[in-house]
Amino acid sequence: GNSVTQMEGPVTLSEEAFLTINCTYTATGYPSLFWYVQYPGEGLQLLLKATKADDKGSNKGFEATYRKETTSFHLEKGSVQVSDSAVYFCALKDNNDMRFGAGTRLTVKP
Amino acid sequence: DSGVTQTPKHLITATGQRVTLRCSPRSGDLSVYWYQQSLDQGLQFLIQYYNGEERAKGNILERFSAQQFPDLHSELNLSSLELGDSALYFCASRGTGRSGYTFGSGTRLTVV
Repeated sequence: GNSVTQMEGPVTLSEEAFLTINCTYTATGYPSLFWYVQYPGEGLQLLLKATKADDKGSNKGFEATYRKETTSFHLEKGSVQVSDSAVYFCALKDNNDMRFGAGTRLTVKP
Repeated sequence: DSGVTQTPKHLITATGQRVTLRCSPRSGDLSVYWYQQSLDQGLQFLIQYYNGEERAKGNILERFSAQQFPDLHSELNLSSLELGDSALYFCASRGTGRSGYTFGSGTRLTVV
């Protein structure tokens, strides 16, 4: 079945550091891929998405490229801020089924 | 405000009790999904409804049930509560096509 595996956390970075959170997937068919972010005390919010191979999703300085050849959708940001501290979830949707990764907690220190 | 409304925000109840969590989806969204988020289990899919009908079931216990009403709001009923049921319960709704889910802010359930 479909599944998502993402980098285990927690991840702790200093402000302005480069961020990568790895995400790989297993799916039949051609899923859409998503990154969601959960800030403390809140629900999940859609951060970015890509619906087909080689698409790049981007939002708020975050980027992820849908790589079919490596079945990956790694999240990157060039310079993180303290306000980016949150839990990040990679997810895939194929037909009716949305699968989430376990989440990666990011803490950014000043 | 995501457009998905969950009530109550917090709930504290005793073991053995029954509670009902409510979710109003974003306007126009026919699909409603329920998830449980606990510290050690991550985000677990419970159940999905589409326009009033159950569409998919995940790791939902027999003590739990849900329904979606004609006005599309949904309720998740948790009965014979145990300490281990303490968690955040999220509702999400989805529109058509390849859109993602829109999540509510969750109900934090504490069973004491």
